[in-house]
Amino acid sequence: DVVMTQSPLSLPVTLGQPASISCRSSQSLVYNDGITYLIWFQQRPGQSPRRLIYTVSNRDSGVPDRFSGTGSGTNFTLKISRVEAEDVGIYYCMQGTHWPLTFGGGTKVEIK
Amino acid sequence: EVQLLESGGGLVQPGGSLRLSCAASGFIFTTYAMNWVRQAPGKGLEWVTTISSSGGSIYYADSVKGRFTVSRDNSQNILYLQMNSLRVDDTAVYYCASEYQAAYWGQGTLVTVSS
Repeated sequence: DVVMTQSPLSLPVTLGQPASISCRSSQSLVYNDGITYLIWFQQRPGQSPRRLIYTVSNRDSGVPDRFSGTGSGTNFTLKISRVEAEDVGIYYCMQGTHWPLTFGGGTKVEIK
Repeated sequence: EVQLLESGGGLVQPGGSLRLSCAASGFIFTTYAMNWVRQAPGKGLEWVTTISSSGGSIYYADSVKGRFTVSRDNSQNILYLQMNSLRVDDTAVYYCASEYQAAYWGQGTLVTVSS
């Protein structure tokens, strides 16, 4: 199985400051079609997960442009350019390239 | 607006069975793969199963293979998860999510396996 490793586990951030979450996979996430199926989710306290980014860097409709995804191969990053109070929650990466699908362990973003 | 509404959760004894449903609306259900993902209390997300749009391709996590069965009724826009031989460690909120890349999620239904 592909192991997804996120860091850090916890990320205290000052409002208005940037934040960066790393996600590494144990093998390449490039599929046979050349597309990399790396997805980012946000789960606010008490809510269902919400997809933010798909195929590494494509932002979902309604997702603020302060969120961006980058990376390739086995190394990926979610960046928040300026953290707002509503960004508090747990962020998960997931790979959709290999079966079984696997998630990272999550990164908890909180306000300092 | 896409809506996914799970139901069927509850308290069940170890070894028991439950069937979860996920009613979909706001998108063309018949053209999308569907997933079940679970989250144990205080834990992270765990993929459970995926079924293709036609139902012709199905994938399961090893942890549920042989015990859980996913199906779909494309005439009614409903996704199902039949869970048999339930274990204490199956206790979780179960979410349905649309598409291979899990674009939309329901609110989840809680399954508690306990004696």
